[in-house]
Amino acid sequence: EPEVTQTPSHQVTQMGQEVILRCVPISNHLYFYWYRQILGQKVEFLVSFYNNEISEKSEIFDDQFSVERPDGSNFTLKIRSTKLEDSAMYFCASSQQGAYNEQFFGPGTRLTVL
Amino acid sequence: GQSLEQPSEVTAVEGAIVQINCTYQTSGFYGLSWYQQHDGGAPTFLSYNALDGLEETGRFSSFLSRSDSYGYLLLQELQMKDSASYFCAVRGAGGGNKLTFGTGTQLKVEL
Repeated sequence: EPEVTQTPSHQVTQMGQEVILRCVPISNHLYFYWYRQILGQKVEFLVSFYNNEISEKSEIFDDQFSVERPDGSNFTLKIRSTKLEDSAMYFCASSQQGAYNEQFFGPGTRLTVL
Repeated sequence: GQSLEQPSEVTAVEGAIVQINCTYQTSGFYGLSWYQQHDGGAPTFLSYNALDGLEETGRFSSFLSRSDSYGYLLLQELQMKDSASYFCAVRGAGGGNKLTFGTGTQLKVEL
């Protein structure tokens, strides 16, 4: 069964450092997303991406964040200068054309900012 | 803006039926979905309602009333493995398929 994969599973970084979180969406999906979940809280939308451009972003997704699809399989989230409050689980997700409510989530990357 | 409210915790016994409610306020609405999340795991899609009424998928059913801005997830024949958090989610009208998740309900299934 196809699945979304994410690397690394856990990333520890110092405040102010740049991090890149990587995702490989399901191969025939066209829509890609990043969400995050602070421990014990609900899942929050960050950004959606379609046809090589951002289609929607939340207020959380400020200038410190960027996304990229560098090749035909990878989808990355970059945080330029991490803050303590960026510590969270980051989930990548993807969905098929026409099935936008059924989003397939990866296992997540736990980001810890010290 | 959008907000979705759920009970924080529900406890039930194995074999029972449990209903998890969700009320929402949204500026755009393209359906109510339900996701399951085990501790430390990824949210997993369970069900989706675009129109009023009941959708059944095996032991899980989901109901929507758009006039009441209300939906619920019904879990039948509860099993221990159903112990997890359950989130309702609304897809908004921003064009990017953004899902806004509810506060989540932690379901504990006991023997």
